[in-house]
Amino acid sequence: DAGVTQSPTHLIKTRGQQVTLRCSPKSGHDTVSWYQQALGQGPQFIFQYYEEEERQRGNFPDRFSGHQFPNYSSELNVNALLLGDSALYLCASSSGPTAGYTFGSGTRLTVV
Amino acid sequence: GNSVTQMEGPVTLSEEAFLTINCTYTATGYPSLFWYVQYPGEGLQLLLKATKADDKGSNKGFEATYRKETTSFHLEKGSVQVSDSAVYFCARMTNTDKLIFGTGTRLQVFP
Repeated sequence: DAGVTQSPTHLIKTRGQQVTLRCSPKSGHDTVSWYQQALGQGPQFIFQYYEEEERQRGNFPDRFSGHQFPNYSSELNVNALLLGDSALYLCASSSGPTAGYTFGSGTRLTVV
Repeated sequence: GNSVTQMEGPVTLSEEAFLTINCTYTATGYPSLFWYVQYPGEGLQLLLKATKADDKGSNKGFEATYRKETTSFHLEKGSVQVSDSAVYFCARMTNTDKLIFGTGTRLQVFP
């Protein structure tokens, strides 16, 4: 049983560009959350999707947007990239609030 | 501010030593609590969890007890191994099903 799958694993972009990161949740999970983990820090919540809608959002600008598809997979889009967007982006899926989240291995984004 | 506080690392131990990583939280009510582990170059793995006060989560020799009196969820292991070297994150669940993480504690175990 595959866990959470993220692609790509690594990405290098230039300031001002746009990027799309992808996530396939663990089988049976319907809730997907995205987190940003800066170097040496704990993950910070970006937003959460359930039933193809953004259910809640963390303290991130509108440059960060997302989508969830009918098969529960999800995308994270970041526009107008800044150097400070360089981080590990983690996708996590869950089947309920007390089950805990299963995390993917992340996408390492470097903005130059 | 962050409502999950962990002891700063790195924590450096010899193999077979006893491990404690402190974690305290602030929250209304009794949130579910978690410990995640992150090995170099990887994502987070759920290590253990506790969903109500006085519960003890355990996995792979690690334990943590949900202490509502001290709002703590300290991670312990009786005998660490070199393979336990990683970064450990304490986290709590909000009432909107969002995880809030501590800043992480790096554990280094030497033979």
